[in-house]
Amino acid sequence: GQQLNQSPQSMFIQEGEDVSMNCTSSSIFNTWLWYKQDPGEGPVLLIALYKAGELTSNGRLTAQFGITRKDSFLNISASIPSDVGIYFCAGPNNFGNEKLTFGTGTRLTIIP
Amino acid sequence: DAGVIQSPRHEVTEMGQEVTLRCKPISGHNSLFWYRQTMMRGLELLIYFNNNVPIDDSGMPEDRFSAKMPNASFSTLKIQPSEPRDSAVYFCASRTITGEQFFGPGTRLTVL
Repeated sequence: GQQLNQSPQSMFIQEGEDVSMNCTSSSIFNTWLWYKQDPGEGPVLLIALYKAGELTSNGRLTAQFGITRKDSFLNISASIPSDVGIYFCAGPNNFGNEKLTFGTGTRLTIIP
Repeated sequence: DAGVIQSPRHEVTEMGQEVTLRCKPISGHNSLFWYRQTMMRGLELLIYFNNNVPIDDSGMPEDRFSAKMPNASFSTLKIQPSEPRDSAVYFCASRTITGEQFFGPGTRLTVL
């Protein structure tokens, strides 16, 4: 099935640094969802985006719905240890489609 | 407000045994999804329900897998007989009317 490409696949950063990751698709998406998964837990929804160009924040997290509708970006400012985990983008790639396509994930590690 | 509830959190069984995983979706959500997650294949959608009716079961691996949703507050995923290759983390998710899926904590299944 269709897959969303996330980059980078992994990141090693120091506490306090800002983080940027993105998600791209060859087809248009009408909704972008960003999830974080901690080890041993289920994915937790961080931010949902519904309109091209939309910029939405949730605390230190900011996500944008790309103007072409084929990409999305997630930024984390001033990273802290609890930001460690795997970040997934996801979206229904057809209008009204209830099934989500998930990205390949970006694994974030914070170096002490 | 309680999120999606799954039980058990961990299950260890022997090959050939029947396994039943349980899910209680968030109250008011009318769509429920079962996923399987492995290192090799990532998150895979197995089946989903709308208003307790199975809509798409194309992701169910084979006849050994079955899922039911007898009412709006309960669903089961059954594997019979189980095999070692079924070992994975199984997630249940329920969906809002605006398309956001909320995941449960998962059931980690190990088939020996």
